[in-house]
Formats: sequence, structure tokens, C-alpha cells
Amino acid sequence: AQSVTQLDSQVPVFEEAPVELRCNYSSSVSVYLFWYVQYPNQGLQLLLKYLSGSTLVKGINGFEAEFNKSQTSFHLRKPSVHISDTAEYFCAVSNTGGGNKLTFGTGTQLKVEL
Amino acid sequence: NAGVTQTPKFQVLKTGQSMTLQCAQDMNHNSMYWYRQDPGMGLRLIYYSASEGTTDKGEVPNGYNVSRLNKREFSLRLESAAPSQTSVYFCASMLDRGIGELFFGEGSRLTVL
Repeated sequence: AQSVTQLDSQVPVFEEAPVELRCNYSSSVSVYLFWYVQYPNQGLQLLLKYLSGSTLVKGINGFEAEFNKSQTSFHLRKPSVHISDTAEYFCAVSNTGGGNKLTFGTGTQLKVEL
Repeated sequence: NAGVTQTPKFQVLKTGQSMTLQCAQDMNHNSMYWYRQDPGMGLRLIYYSASEGTTDKGEVPNGYNVSRLNKREFSLRLESAAPSQTSVYFCASMLDRGIGELFFGEGSRLTVL
């Protein structure tokens, strides 16, 4: 079984500032890792994913994440946020043997302020 | 392009009533899922269907039943609703080789009084 921990439930940040949303996972087997974004009153949509290869993955809207196997982390970063990035962000994991069954973290609410 | 469509979007029930949430996808995906979202708990998998004719329990299946009616449709039924089932429910689908890429509906907000 795998699990995901998102320690920060809310992250306030000013517009144009950098941001990092933290994600740590636990699994006894190899994993795939994902970040999803949920805008108000909408379903989730995929932001980026790590399956294999380069540990730095780039996603939509200027976001990127780095897979760190030794620290079992997959933190999400953006160098300069915009008001429109205000949303809830979910980290998710699946094991490589069952890539179609995801376990989600509890989410981090990113609030971008002027 | 509709994607994943859920109905109804809102529903209020009394304890003990039953209801069915409907979900349909038009992307020819084999796998379909039902999640519930609760504050501070993220998304939890209720049931999923890896292909037409098969269904499996997820993390929180108690109190729910599902039917994979055909490749397009996957319904979630609450036989006897309880206040603990007050939640936002999301249906999602996934392409076979689209590892981890779930396509979500807009959600159904259910309140059980």
C-alpha cells in the first residue's frame, strides 16, 4: 500500500513570488507520482506526472516538480505565481504495478494575493 | 467534447433515502472511478471499474454500490443514505495507457439531512 502526505493545508503567497508545495510519499515498491489541480467548483485536472527518466518534470502553466527518491518527495514549484494559480493542489501516487489506481494526498490550498 | 458528465450536480436527501449518481464518458476509456472529496481528507476512492463488466472496491466502499452499465456509463448508488455520506462525489475515467491521467467530471454535491 502507498500513502501521500501533504503537510501544508494552506499556502498564502504574493503574486509574482515563487512557491513550493510539498509532497512526501510512502511505498514499498516503485511508484508513479502526479500533481493535480482543482479550480473552484471544478473537477481535478492533471498538472504533471513522473513515470520514469528525468527526475525534473515540467507541467502546464509553468509548474514543475522534482522526484527525489532518497527523500521520497515530489515537491511542486513555480518561480512566479499569478492570481489565476489560486486553486487546490493534490499530490497522488500509484505503484508501477497498478498504474491505474491512484492514492491522493489531502490537498494544499494555494492562495495568491496581490 | 463533453468528456465526463455527472448528474445530478446537487442533491439533498433525508436519512434513509436512496439515490443514484449517474456518470457517462465519451472518450472510449476502459477504466472508470468514483471518488468522494471531504474537507481535509482529499479524494478517497469508493469503487472503480477497470473494464466493462468488472468492478472493484476502493478505500471507502461501505454504504455504496456501483454498476458498470456499459463502456460509457458507471453509476453509484446509495441504498440508504446517512449523514456521513454528505460529500462531493467525482466520477473519473482513464485511458488504458494513460497512466495516472484521470479525467474528472465536475462533481455532484450531496447533502444528507
